[in-house]
Amino acid sequence: EDQVTQSPEALRLQEGESSSLNCSYTVSGLRGLFWYRQDPGKGPEFLFTLYSAGEEKEKERLKATLTKKESFLHITAPKPEDSATYLCAVPQTGANNLFFGTGTRLTVIP
Amino acid sequence: ETGVTQTPRHLVMGMTNKKSLKCEQHLGHNAMYWYKQSAKKPLELMFVYNFKEQTENNSVPSRFSPECPNSSHLFLHLHTLQPEDSALYLCASSQGLAGGQETQYFGPGTRLLVL
Repeated sequence: EDQVTQSPEALRLQEGESSSLNCSYTVSGLRGLFWYRQDPGKGPEFLFTLYSAGEEKEKERLKATLTKKESFLHITAPKPEDSATYLCAVPQTGANNLFFGTGTRLTVIP
Repeated sequence: ETGVTQTPRHLVMGMTNKKSLKCEQHLGHNAMYWYKQSAKKPLELMFVYNFKEQTENNSVPSRFSPECPNSSHLFLHLHTLQPEDSALYLCASSQGLAGGQETQYFGPGTRLLVL
């Protein structure tokens, strides 16, 4: 059975304090791992897709990495505007949709 | 308009009402999705359409009725809802399906409150 687990559930950081969010997954053959950002009351905004272990992608202060069992979203020197819920998702086995984790709610304090 | 739009953004309805949610994508995509997002729960897929044909129905109660008249428009018709149906309803689109590997782009959602 597919599983996506994100940790921590919530994270509070001081502005400039770097950290990482974790997404561990269990699927029958990984066909991609997606990261989204979601602001309160809005739809998820696509950030990255990773397809193979060892792959890395960067966007501004965010860097996503992938291993065979988990993905990390590293946030370097975060700013208050990085505050959001970060979601990861994988293609569900035998289906045409994404299977989402419950997200990590990040708060960056000025 | 760009991207994926949804109307209305907010909706309050009684359990005996009938209402419809509308989604429109301006990305030239062929697949569209309805998701339900409740507090502290992961996004829950409801329906998937590809080239106007329904390909997934995730055991959704019949009080939710989707309609996809063309690849750009998707509706969710609501009737006799229950208070537990209160949630954020999200629409998404992707170029194709590709077993879920296509990137999905989301609309802003409709916040639904059932009284």
